[in-house]
Amino acid sequence: AQTVTQSQPEMSVQEAETVTLSCTYDTSESDYYLFWYKQPPSRQMILVIRQEAYKQQNATENRFSVNFQKAAKSFSLKISDSQLGDAAMYFCAYSLGSQGNLIFGKGTKLSVKP
Amino acid sequence: KAGVTQTPRYLIKTRGQQVTLSCSPISGHRSVSWYQQTPGQGLQFLFEYFSETQRNKGNFPGRFSGRQFSNSRSEMNVSTLELGDSALYLCASSQSDYGYTFGSGTRLTVV
Repeated sequence: AQTVTQSQPEMSVQEAETVTLSCTYDTSESDYYLFWYKQPPSRQMILVIRQEAYKQQNATENRFSVNFQKAAKSFSLKISDSQLGDAAMYFCAYSLGSQGNLIFGKGTKLSVKP
Repeated sequence: KAGVTQTPRYLIKTRGQQVTLSCSPISGHRSVSWYQQTPGQGLQFLFEYFSETQRNKGNFPGRFSGRQFSNSRSEMNVSTLELGDSALYLCASSQSDYGYTFGSGTRLTVV
């Protein structure tokens, strides 16, 4: 069975600094999708970034980028120039198909200090 | 374009009762999935519907059921509520390959 592990329950970063959130996963499949979702106190899960496993190039969305290491089954999220609005729970998720059900990690609570 | 709408936002029910939660997907989205979020178990997949058919199901007891209507709106029902069913229930819809868009959830409290 596929599993997703986020080893950092909480992280803290200074405003304008860079922070990296870790995620590892376990799967025997070769084609799958990985996601980072953000959940602020408003509760709504917001898609931050998406990576297709067959693509070698790491995905980037503005200040957010990933380091996808397929052989190591690692998918970390880097947030550059951190802003107060980045404070939230961040969930790493795996999906066998782009529209298949998501398997989530336990989440990392990110705090941003002014 | 309106987002995914879940109603109600909050709900308090008594043990043994049943409850129905509603989800209206983004217009044009035919796939709707449901997740349960609790502090202990995290986010767990309940089921997914596509064009009124259940396409995928998670590992939950039969007390949890759902359906999807022809307009893609979906409902999930929990019968014989237990204290452990207290959770945030999230609905998500999808149309393209880009993944799911989530609603703000329904907070269910069972007393």
